[in-house]
Amino acid sequence: AQSVSQHNHHVILSEAASLELGCNYSYGGTVNLFWYVQYPGQHLQLLLKYFSGDPLVKGIKGFEAEFIKSKFSFNLRKPSVQWSDTAEYFCAGSSGNTPLVFGKGTRLSVIA
Amino acid sequence: GAVVSQHPSRVICKSGTSVKIECRSLDFQATTMFWYRQFPKQSLMLMATSNEGSKATYEQGVEKDKFLINHASLTLSTLTVTSAHPEDSSFYICSASSPSGQIYGYTFGSGTRLTVV
Repeated sequence: AQSVSQHNHHVILSEAASLELGCNYSYGGTVNLFWYVQYPGQHLQLLLKYFSGDPLVKGIKGFEAEFIKSKFSFNLRKPSVQWSDTAEYFCAGSSGNTPLVFGKGTRLSVIA
Repeated sequence: GAVVSQHPSRVICKSGTSVKIECRSLDFQATTMFWYRQFPKQSLMLMATSNEGSKATYEQGVEKDKFLINHASLTLSTLTVTSAHPEDSSFYICSASSPSGQIYGYTFGSGTRLTVV
């Protein structure tokens, strides 16, 4: 079955620390991968997406993710986090035009 | 860019009544829309896939008679929670994809927080 897993439930970082959130997928064939962010009390916003091509994807707000096919991974990174990055982060995947399947989410808390 | 409007953003209803939630794609046509449910501090769980002009496809465990989905046009899908009960209280979110195969990042609506009292 198609699935997306996020192993980090809650990550706490100090401001300016580097961030890497793990995401692994289980899909056969073509896979489309996404990272979404949900700030407290707000709706989902797309950070970045991978369909094909360059496996290193640049997104908004300084985020990037790398698609590593051999590891079935699509980890999210940011070199220096800010307090305003405190939010819930969801990795999601699809195949073709199928519904998105979401990971359980990772809560990021950035402290001063 | 692609925008999906969801209405209402919040609704409180009495147990036993029905509530309709609308999801509109404002600047593109969406042959397929998806309805999700999110419990507090949890991930989004797909409820159903709504296809324009045909019956919705429900995920396992989702009661199709309780959660009625209608996708009558290329820009509007509705979710009606019938005979709502307190356990139906949740955050409901719709998303849409385009008909051409291009994916607008599965644009999401802003969600509807339903509280059944």
